[in-house]
Amino acid sequence: DIQMTQSPSSLSASVGDRVTITCRASQNISRYLNWYQQKPGKAPNLLIYAASSLQSGVPSRFSGSGSGTDFTLTISSLQPEDFATYHCQQSYSISITFGQGTRLEIK
Amino acid sequence: QITLKESGPTLVKPTETLTLTCTLSGFSLSTSGVAVGWIRQPPGKALEWLALIYWDDDKRYSPSLKNRLTITKDTSKNQVVLTMTNMDPVDTATYYCTHRGDYLLWGQGTLVTVSS
Repeated sequence: DIQMTQSPSSLSASVGDRVTITCRASQNISRYLNWYQQKPGKAPNLLIYAASSLQSGVPSRFSGSGSGTDFTLTISSLQPEDFATYHCQQSYSISITFGQGTRLEIK
Repeated sequence: QITLKESGPTLVKPTETLTLTCTLSGFSLSTSGVAVGWIRQPPGKALEWLALIYWDDDKRYSPSLKNRLTITKDTSKNQVVLTMTNMDPVDTATYYCTHRGDYLLWGQGTLVTVSS
């Protein structure tokens, strides 16, 4: 299986901050990387697909970058509704795998 | 609009077999290229892929759980069924059904607790 290492596992930040979350794959996955936001008691919600494509309806403060093994999710200016858990997911292989998740908390 | 909805028991006993059903809407499992899978998430833990079934009945399983899982489809009902045998308390999790494309579309999930 392709291992996905996400960091940090948790992060405290304030409204208005710029935040970056990273995801590293154990092998080259090209741009087959998606990012999801998950709020308590809810299913994950797609933010970014194919490493950098913004899903329709997702605010432009979210952006993704990277290719190969290293990827980042950036939130340019945190809003109160952004405090949630973020997951990366590789879709390169049939056996999809996820990062451990990053819990973004209010400072 | 594509939607998926999971159904099944909320509580199972250790050693029992879990059967979950995913009812699909807005797309058909008989359409070429379509795939539906299952993912679970133990409370406070990471997401784990379990199984996948394609429109042509090709099936794939997580290597670590392959011996306990069976995924099937009923095209006439537009449903996918996952069975997991020999349930254990560590299998307590929210189980999600997903439409598999370049990215995942998720059902709302169903929490299954394994306890005697």
